[in-house]
Amino acid sequence: GAGVSQSPSNKVTEKGKDVELRCDPISGHTALYWYRQSLGQGLEFLIYFQGNSAPDKSGLPSDRFSAERTGGSVSTLTIQRTQQEDSAVYLCASSLGGGGYEQYFGPGTRLTVT
Amino acid sequence: TQLLEQSPQFLSIQEGENLTVYCNSSSVFSSLQWYRQEPGEGPVLLVTVVTGGEVKKLKRLTFQFGDARKDSSLHITAAQPGDTGLYLCAGWTNAGKSTFGDGTTLTVKP
Repeated sequence: GAGVSQSPSNKVTEKGKDVELRCDPISGHTALYWYRQSLGQGLEFLIYFQGNSAPDKSGLPSDRFSAERTGGSVSTLTIQRTQQEDSAVYLCASSLGGGGYEQYFGPGTRLTVT
Repeated sequence: TQLLEQSPQFLSIQEGENLTVYCNSSSVFSSLQWYRQEPGEGPVLLVTVVTGGEVKKLKRLTFQFGDARKDSSLHITAAQPGDTGLYLCAGWTNAGKSTFGDGTTLTVKP
C-alpha cells in the first residue's frame, strides 16, 4: 500500500515569504505528527493531531508556524514570514493511534530559506 | 521537558566489529522505540520495547530497556556496511507524546 507522501520534496524560498508543506498520511491512520530535523540531528517535535481532538501544538517554535488537518487526512504545515533559521527538513509521520504505535514517516521536505 | 541523550553522537568502525549505542534520560517512559534513518529518507522503526528489563533481538541487533524504563541500549554484533545510518531513540509518555534523541551516526567501513 501507499506510504506517507510529502510535497514538495525540496523548497527554496526567500526570507520573508510564506511556505506551505503538505503531508498525505496512510489511509486509516488517526494520528499525524510533524517534526523538524537539522542535518544529521534528531527530530524536533512540532505538532500532533489525533482523531478529532484538538491538536497538540506545544512544539511549534513561534506563531509564524501553524498546521491544519482537513477531514482527518491531509495536513498542511504553514510557515509565515520565513527566516533563515527555519531551513531544515520537515518530516511528517502517521500512525494507527497515539502513544507508542509505530510511526510511518514520509521522505520529508527540505526547506531552504535564502 | 523530557530529554533523551544518545551516545556516542558519531561512531565509525570497521566491518565485523561490535558496537553499542546508548539512550539515557532522567524521565520514565511508557515505551521506547529505536528507528534507523538513511540519507534522504524518513526514519524506519526497528523495535519497540515496553517492559522494564526487556531484551529484544533482531538478527544481529539486540535492544534492551532499562529496569526503570529511563534508558535503553542498542548493540550490533559483527557490523556490516549496510548498518550505516542514523540511529534514533524515541521515548513515549502516557500522554501520547514522543521525544526523540539527537541520534547516533554510524559508519561501517568495508
